[in-house]
Amino acid sequence: AQSVTQPDIHITVSEGASLELRCNYSYGATPYLFWYVQSPGQGLQLLLKYFSGDTLVQGIKGFEAEFKRSQSSFNLRKPSVHWSDAAEYFCAVGVRGGGNKLTFGTGTQLKVEL
Amino acid sequence: DVKVTQSSRYLVKRTGEKVFLECVQDMDHENMFWYRQDPGLGLRLIYFSYDVKMKEKGDIPEGYSVSREKKERFSLILESASTNQTSMYLCASSLPPGLAGGSKPYNEQFFGPGTRLTVL
Repeated sequence: AQSVTQPDIHITVSEGASLELRCNYSYGATPYLFWYVQSPGQGLQLLLKYFSGDTLVQGIKGFEAEFKRSQSSFNLRKPSVHWSDAAEYFCAVGVRGGGNKLTFGTGTQLKVEL
Repeated sequence: DVKVTQSSRYLVKRTGEKVFLECVQDMDHENMFWYRQDPGLGLRLIYFSYDVKMKEKGDIPEGYSVSREKKERFSLILESASTNQTSMYLCASSLPPGLAGGSKPYNEQFFGPGTRLTVL
């Protein structure tokens, strides 16, 4: 069965600094990979996804992620963080034949210092 | 815009009560999902429905049941609420794989705002 690990429970960055959130997956084949964001009091919103092809994917709100097969990783990055990016971020994996079901990581809570 | 609504944002129930959590989506999506979200555990799938009257157990179905009588509505039922079911419950909907352009192996799940359930 597939699994997702987000090693960082909490991360604090200063506004304007760069950000990288880590995500590692376990699956025997190439998975489908997603990053979702949950702002306080809100449901989850899709930031970006990877199915195949170019391993660097661009998403909304200036985020990008890079799929690295050799490291089983799909890390989320942003070059300059804004205070409004403070939220919880979830990495998720889907598998072929999975019927659109996802397995989520435990989440990383991002705090932005002004 | 896709809209997924959940009947309550906050709910307080007593142990042993039967609890209904309702979810409605307005985008004619076949797939609907119920998750619970707990600190340090992320989102865990309780049940999944891939069409009306169709359901499939997720990773943690014990203590829960679901009902999908109409395409737009997916209900989560706690037959006899217990304190360990205190949690945030999130509903989501999506098109099935292969639709929304024909080439997508996965389609985005759209989430409701969640219901925070407290069982006393």
